[in-house]
Amino acid sequence: AQSVTQLGSHVSVSEGALVLLRCNYSSSVPPYLFWYVQYPNQGLQLLLKYTSAATLVKGINGFEAEFKKSETSFHLTKPSAHMSDAAEYFCAVSEGLGGNEKLTFGTGTRLTIIP
Amino acid sequence: DAGVIQSPRHEVTEMGQEVTLRCKPISGHDYLFWYRQTMMRGLELLIYFNNNVPIDDSGMPEDRFSAKMPNASFSTLKIQPSEPRDSAVYFCASSLNTGGRQPQHFGDGTRLSIL
Repeated sequence: AQSVTQLGSHVSVSEGALVLLRCNYSSSVPPYLFWYVQYPNQGLQLLLKYTSAATLVKGINGFEAEFKKSETSFHLTKPSAHMSDAAEYFCAVSEGLGGNEKLTFGTGTRLTIIP
Repeated sequence: DAGVIQSPRHEVTEMGQEVTLRCKPISGHDYLFWYRQTMMRGLELLIYFNNNVPIDDSGMPEDRFSAKMPNASFSTLKIQPSEPRDSAVYFCASSLNTGGRQPQHFGDGTRLSIL
């Protein structure tokens, strides 16, 4: 069975500082991995995805994530935080076997940006 | 392109009333998912469909909840009778059948308040 762990339910960083949101997964097969962002009163929007091509994945709004199989991690980073990055971020994994499109989500990390 | 459309955006009703939430998935998507989001329990998968057929309803909390997908462009989630603990944001999402490689696309949700 697949699972996702997001370390830190709340993360605060200063504007202009590095953003690092952690995600570790477990999967019995090579996974597909996703990061979503949720702004207040909105649905989840895709930030980026890993589907077994390049291990460093670039997404929207300057975010990127690196797939590290040896560490079973898919941490999300952004070099310089902006006030508009304040939101909740979800990591998700799909095993993708047998046509199963089901995603397993982490519990989310709320990112606060300090002016 | 139109995204996933949910209606209503907000619903306030009294305990015991029937509530119907509606979802129109992205045209051509094979999978449809219903989620519930609360502060206490986070994001929970309630049920999902493939080609209009329910595949897994193990997340439906109790018999008061039911979901249907009469055709490829419409799904409903009903709660009857509703209770205050059903208050949450309900999301619908859809995806293509790609073996998990493509993301789910979320609607903006229905914020449900049961008084």
